[in-house]
Amino acid sequence: AQSVTQLGSHVSVSEGALVLLRCNYSSSVPPYLFWYVQYPNQGLQLLLKYTTGATLVKGINGFEAEFKKSETSFHLTKPSAHMSDAAEYFCAVSVIQGAQKLVFGQGTRLTINP
Amino acid sequence: EAGVAQSPRYKIIEKRQSVAFWCNPISGHATLYWYQQILGQGPKLLIQFQNNGVVDDSQLPKDRFSAERLKGVDSTLKIQPAKLEDSAVYLCASSLDPSMNTEAFFGQGTRLTVV
Repeated sequence: AQSVTQLGSHVSVSEGALVLLRCNYSSSVPPYLFWYVQYPNQGLQLLLKYTTGATLVKGINGFEAEFKKSETSFHLTKPSAHMSDAAEYFCAVSVIQGAQKLVFGQGTRLTINP
Repeated sequence: EAGVAQSPRYKIIEKRQSVAFWCNPISGHATLYWYQQILGQGPKLLIQFQNNGVVDDSQLPKDRFSAERLKGVDSTLKIQPAKLEDSAVYLCASSLDPSMNTEAFFGQGTRLTVV
């Protein structure tokens, strides 16, 4: 069965600093990987996804993530944090086992300090 | 394109009462998911439908939770009777093709408080 581990339930950075949110996955078959963002009292919104091909994936709002198969990682980065980036971020793994199975990590709350 | 619609947005009930949530997925999406998100945790899958059939309900507490997706379109999730630990946000999501790793689109969720 597939699983996702997000290292650090809470990350705090200064405005303008690098954002790094860590995600490691476990899957017995080639996975597709997603990062979702959740703002307060909202549903989840897709930031970016890795399917096949290029391992560096660019998403919305200046975020990007790199798929590293050897490290089973899919870390999310943004060069310069903005106050509006404060939210909860979820990494998810998707595999096809009969039908699509989508499993989420426990989430990382990102706080931006002025 | 209209998104995933959920209602109500908020619900407060007393323990042992019953409650129902409704979800209307994006038109044409074959897969519908119900997730439970407890405060501070990631979404946990309760049940997954493909059209009007159940694909996975292994984590659904079947003694109190039930769900249906009539005609393969909208869906309802019911809790009867509710317990304090059922307080959570219930998220509905849909995706286009169950044979592919397509992204899931989420509704805004229903926040349930059991007192």
